[in-house]
Amino acid sequence: QSVLTQPPSVSAATGQKVTISCSGSSSNIGKNSVAWYQQVPGTAPKLLIYDNSNRASGVPDRFSASKSRTSATLAITGLQTGDEAEYHCGTWDTSLSAVVFGGGTKLTVL
Amino acid sequence: QVHLVQSGAEVKKPGSSVKVSCKGSGGTVSRYTFSWVRQAPGQGLEWMGGIIPFFATTNYAQKFEGRLTISTDDSTTTAYMELRSLRLDDTAVYYCAREGGPYGSPQWFDPWGQGTLVTVSS
Repeated sequence: QSVLTQPPSVSAATGQKVTISCSGSSSNIGKNSVAWYQQVPGTAPKLLIYDNSNRASGVPDRFSASKSRTSATLAITGLQTGDEAEYHCGTWDTSLSAVVFGGGTKLTVL
Repeated sequence: QVHLVQSGAEVKKPGSSVKVSCKGSGGTVSRYTFSWVRQAPGQGLEWMGGIIPFFATTNYAQKFEGRLTISTDDSTTTAYMELRSLRLDDTAVYYCAREGGPYGSPQWFDPWGQGTLVTVSS
């Protein structure tokens, strides 16, 4: 069972917008920065967002993220078939003294 | 720009040990901090622990305390992850990744190695 909670799957049509939520607690998201990763099946995760809302190098501005108290949200606009992947959120948990992740959300582009 | 290349797939028996390497290019490993993250088949990401080579300090997830050792060799720009007393549920892809954020409390990882599949089977 993951410490951070993500929906198992989301879907939206090409060109539309989708959001993925990541829910935590005061000891993780409430105190620390959230990162988001994109993982295409069979490949390593790739950093998309760090420090809650900063895009990693080379990440298009169709990807954005925000944080509010103990939750974070990743938004993807102008969906493309190439965006189909698993998306993971992660952060440091001060109480556990460990990095924690969500269970991952599979994005399907219809 | 750091690029991480990991060693190849391993098949191990229960009770044995595995040591996975992660070679960095583009700079000495002592300049960076590294973590190891694993992903069991069909599962999410699980942080195992990290190392700050400059201070020679490690931080392990409680779940792995006592059977995990993370180390680095600056002369070969390589980081290592050794997991002992392997169990069937240790079957996973193991990734090394450079840490971002405060020392000792990483909050993001970039880049990642390509991953190493470790299969534990009797």
